[in-house]
Amino acid sequence: EPEVTQTPSHQVTQMGQEVILRCVPISNHLYFYWYRQILGQKVEFLVSFYNNEISEKSEIFDDQFSVERPDGSNFTLKIRSTKLEDSAMYFCASSEGGGQDTDTQYFGPGTRLTVL
Amino acid sequence: KQEVTQIPAALSVPEGENLVLNCSFTDSAIYNLQWFRQDPGKGLTSLLLIQSSQREQTSGRLNASLDKSSGRSTLYIAASQPGDSATYLCAGMDTGRRALTFGSGTRLQVQP
Repeated sequence: EPEVTQTPSHQVTQMGQEVILRCVPISNHLYFYWYRQILGQKVEFLVSFYNNEISEKSEIFDDQFSVERPDGSNFTLKIRSTKLEDSAMYFCASSEGGGQDTDTQYFGPGTRLTVL
Repeated sequence: KQEVTQIPAALSVPEGENLVLNCSFTDSAIYNLQWFRQDPGKGLTSLLLIQSSQREQTSGRLNASLDKSSGRSTLYIAASQPGDSATYLCAGMDTGRRALTFGSGTRLQVQP
């Protein structure tokens, strides 16, 4: 069964460093998403991406964040200058992009980002 | 702004018991609702999606309902098994958006 994959599974970085989290969505899916879950808190929406552009973003997704689809298979989240509060599990998701009503989102296993 | 709440936060039941997990949302603009399972340190596995025109959806031992007028969804698990132990999350999608708004989850433990 096709699945969303994410690399790395765990990333440790120093405050102020740039990180890039990578995702390979399910191959025929058209919508891509990033969510994050700070330890002990709810899963929060960051951004959705469709047709090579951001279709929606949350208040969390400020200028420190960017997303890119550099090729036909990868979808990346870049954090320019990491802060301690960026430490979280980051989930990538994808969906077929059909009608909103039937568009199930499928999640990857997550990347745990630790900022020291 | 949509707020999603799940009660109870944790639940422990003996194997074989039928159980109900509750999810409530504040904004009736919710379009559809998805239930997920999350195992410790793992990603989210989609269980069921209840479409806007549906009132319930079934998959095996799972049955989920959606009542927009009351702002509630329930996930019914029949004949629970130890393998059902996980955190169950509900997430709503508002009309015109693709972002999911998640509840904080119910941590379920099924005792053998």
